[in-house]
Amino acid sequence: EPEVTQTPSHQVTQMGQEVILRCVPISNHLYFYWYRQILGQKVEFLVSFYNNEISEKSEIFDDQFSVERPDGSNFTLKIRSTKLEDSAMYFCASSENLDVANSPLHFGNGTRLTVT
Amino acid sequence: LAKTTQPISMDSYEGQEVNITCSHNNIATNDYITWYQQFPSQGPRFIIQGYKTKVTNEVASLFIPADRKSSTLSLPRVSLSDTAVYYCLVINQAGTALIFGKGTTLSVSS
Repeated sequence: EPEVTQTPSHQVTQMGQEVILRCVPISNHLYFYWYRQILGQKVEFLVSFYNNEISEKSEIFDDQFSVERPDGSNFTLKIRSTKLEDSAMYFCASSENLDVANSPLHFGNGTRLTVT
Repeated sequence: LAKTTQPISMDSYEGQEVNITCSHNNIATNDYITWYQQFPSQGPRFIIQGYKTKVTNEVASLFIPADRKSSTLSLPRVSLSDTAVYYCLVINQAGTALIFGKGTTLSVSS
């Protein structure tokens, strides 16, 4: 079964540094998402992306965040200047089509970001 | 989107059937009910989705009464590996962001 793959699995960075989290969605999927989950808390929506532009974003997704689909396969999340509170597991997800009855989200296994 | 309410936690033993009920009193005509499962340190995984009556797949069954104000996820004969957080969500449009609540933490013991 096709999977959403994320790299790296664990990223450690210093406060103020830029990080790029990478995702390869399932190849025929049209919608792409980033979520995050701070340890012990719920899964939080960050942003959705469709047709090469942001569809929705949450209040968490402020100016320090950006997303890009640089080629036909990768989907990236950039955090410009990391803060301690950005430490979390970041999940990428993708979904296939425009039919709500047949478009579950497929999540990757996440990148654990640790900001020191 | 309709708000969902589900128990924070449930305990069960191996081999038992587990039913997790979710309330969505304000569900709209176009809304579907969808359930996800999350194991520790993994992303959520889609389990099942339905609109009305009953849906069954190889993993679970989903029961939705006629008024659709609630739904019940049924896991037959759970095993230790079913220990996870289960999320009930409502969605009405493909591509719309799923907003996760706290879910139900199911603990299965031997």
